[in-house]
Amino acid sequence: DVVLTQSPATLSVTPGERISLSCRASESVDTYLHWYQQKPNESPRLLIKYASQSISGIPSRFSGSGSGTDFTLSINGVELEDLSIYYCQQGNSLPYTFGAGTKLELK
Amino acid sequence: EVQLVESGGGLVQPGRSLKLSCAASGFTFSNYYMAWVRQAPKKGLEWVATISTSGSRTYYPDSVKGRFTISRDNAKSSLYLQMNSLKSEDTATYYCARQYSSYRPLDYWGQGVMVTVSS
Repeated sequence: DVVLTQSPATLSVTPGERISLSCRASESVDTYLHWYQQKPNESPRLLIKYASQSISGIPSRFSGSGSGTDFTLSINGVELEDLSIYYCQQGNSLPYTFGAGTKLELK
Repeated sequence: EVQLVESGGGLVQPGRSLKLSCAASGFTFSNYYMAWVRQAPKKGLEWVATISTSGSRTYYPDSVKGRFTISRDNAKSSLYLQMNSLKSEDTATYYCARQYSSYRPLDYWGQGVMVTVSS
């Protein structure tokens, strides 16, 4: 199974700053890497697909990059509404797997 | 508007069975693969099952293979998850999710339904 390692586990942020979250795969997943946001007490929401493709309705401050084994989710100008847990997920091979998540909290 | 509404959760004893349902609306259900993903309390996400558009192909991780069965009724725009031989570690919120096809992202999620396995 492909193991996805997300870092950091928790990130303390200040509104307005640019941040980057990491997702590293135990083997290449090409660009079959997707990012989800889960706000407290809500269902996950697709944020970025295929490593870097934007999703309709998602603010442009969210962007993704990477391929193979190293991926990054960036937020350019964090807002309070972005305080959530972010998960990466690989769809390159079965079983589909998720990372353990990165939690954004207020500094 | 895409809507996925799960139902059928509750408290069940270890070793017993439970069947979850997901009612879909706002899109052509028969054109999409569908999936179940679960989340144990205070834990991360775990993929549980995926089914093809016709229902002829199903996929599971080893953790539920042989115990869980995903199925669908395209005429009713409904997805199901039959869970047998339930264990305490199956306690989780179960989400129904839409997936355009195999290996594609999960682009819409339901609100989730809680399953608690306990004596």
